[in-house]
Amino acid sequence: SAVISQKPSRDICQRGTSLTIQCQVDSQVTMMFWYRQQPGQSLTLIATANQGSEATYESGFVIDKFPISRPNLTFSTLTVSNMSPEDSSIYLCSAQDSRLGENGYTFGSGTRLTVV
Amino acid sequence: QQPVQSPQAVILREGEDAVINCSSSKALYSVHWYRQKHGEAPVFLMILLKGGEQKGHEKISASFNEKKQQSSLYLTASQLSYSGTYFCGTERGGSRLTFGEGTQLTVNP
Repeated sequence: SAVISQKPSRDICQRGTSLTIQCQVDSQVTMMFWYRQQPGQSLTLIATANQGSEATYESGFVIDKFPISRPNLTFSTLTVSNMSPEDSSIYLCSAQDSRLGENGYTFGSGTRLTVV
Repeated sequence: QQPVQSPQAVILREGEDAVINCSSSKALYSVHWYRQKHGEAPVFLMILLKGGEQKGHEKISASFNEKKQQSSLYLTASQLSYSGTYFCGTERGGSRLTFGEGTQLTVNP
């Protein structure tokens, strides 16, 4: 299956600052997805990132707060801007992987963010 | 709309069986199943694309009842390695997945 390298794996940030999370896929993928997951809870989709176009955000998430870049078919970044303690969560990137058979999704290892 | 999973949690002894259900109030076109171990990323198990489809993966299999708008994941002769949280996911437009709340499975020796 495809491998997604995500970094940083964890960070502790001051409120009001920004953090950029990077995901590198070992193969070209059309769409990448960014999720947020509170510990012990489900995954919530933040946005879909397509190469060459603006990301599509889900209800409750806005570009000013979570700007996304997708400069090529193997890389994407998510920035968490002007952070508050409510942004503390695990952030995961994902991509559809044809090698999983019938296009299952593979995930990065996640970024555990703590805002203090 | 988020699919509904049941049960929320289940505790098994090694070798026992379990069934996890996933249902939706909206029509289902495909259902994904993933397992997530504590502190790790979700791992793909299988996709069911057609109503009535059944699939198997080692001792883990699933069925998809399109009419009832539900899918079930079957774990037979459970092993310690099966412990984790199981999520079903349903596809919306643009290949976006909506995940259920998850079912926490614990397999004890």
